[in-house]
Amino acid sequence: DSGVTQTPKHLITATGQRVTLRCSPRSGDLSVYWYQQSLDQGLQFLIQYYNGEERAKGNILERFSAQQFPDLHSELNLSSLELGDSALYFCASSGGVMTGELFFGEGSRLTVL
Amino acid sequence: DAKTTQPTSMDCAEGRAANLPCNHSTISGNEYVYWYRQIHSQGPQYIIHGLKNNETNEMASLIITEDRKSSTLILPHATLRDTAVYYCIVRATNTGNQFYFGTGTSLTVIP
Repeated sequence: DSGVTQTPKHLITATGQRVTLRCSPRSGDLSVYWYQQSLDQGLQFLIQYYNGEERAKGNILERFSAQQFPDLHSELNLSSLELGDSALYFCASSGGVMTGELFFGEGSRLTVL
Repeated sequence: DAKTTQPTSMDCAEGRAANLPCNHSTISGNEYVYWYRQIHSQGPQYIIHGLKNNETNEMASLIITEDRKSSTLILPHATLRDTAVYYCIVRATNTGNQFYFGTGTSLTVIP
């Protein structure tokens, strides 16, 4: 158990819809990261937050957005969903900006029909 | 961050040492070598990291060549539960904590 909690574990929705994925980092971790893993692609870094502020952006689509709240949990919002958005979405946390170890949650599996 | 090259797949007999190579010929002086693994559809798991000295922990050993252009992750006694995709990542500490995962090496431990 990494200490990172992601909900929901599974989600099935239709094209055009909007979903929100939630992540609770390990107790005390200030940084939260979101990754997407599709069947035909590896782990793609989406975005990082540190103590409520966006710190780095990766290959995140404009239809996707994220935020980190004062209690440090984070949400990833996916809108106007397409079939190609079906993937595993992982959240990870770490204690600080410069530490090297990420703790990953078990992921949220999104299926868009 | 420097690019890494890993074999696509490897097999290892159960109980034997698994040696996973990684080439990072363009590594810079301030870049660390990190290893993570991902067991099927689970979240990646941190294994070990190092700068230039060899490192060992309860999971594995990391051997970094003197010129730092390559490294080897060693699982001393592979078990079936070590079957996973292993990612070698090179990253500088001043780039924050975002890790860019490549395709990794798919290790299969054979009974």
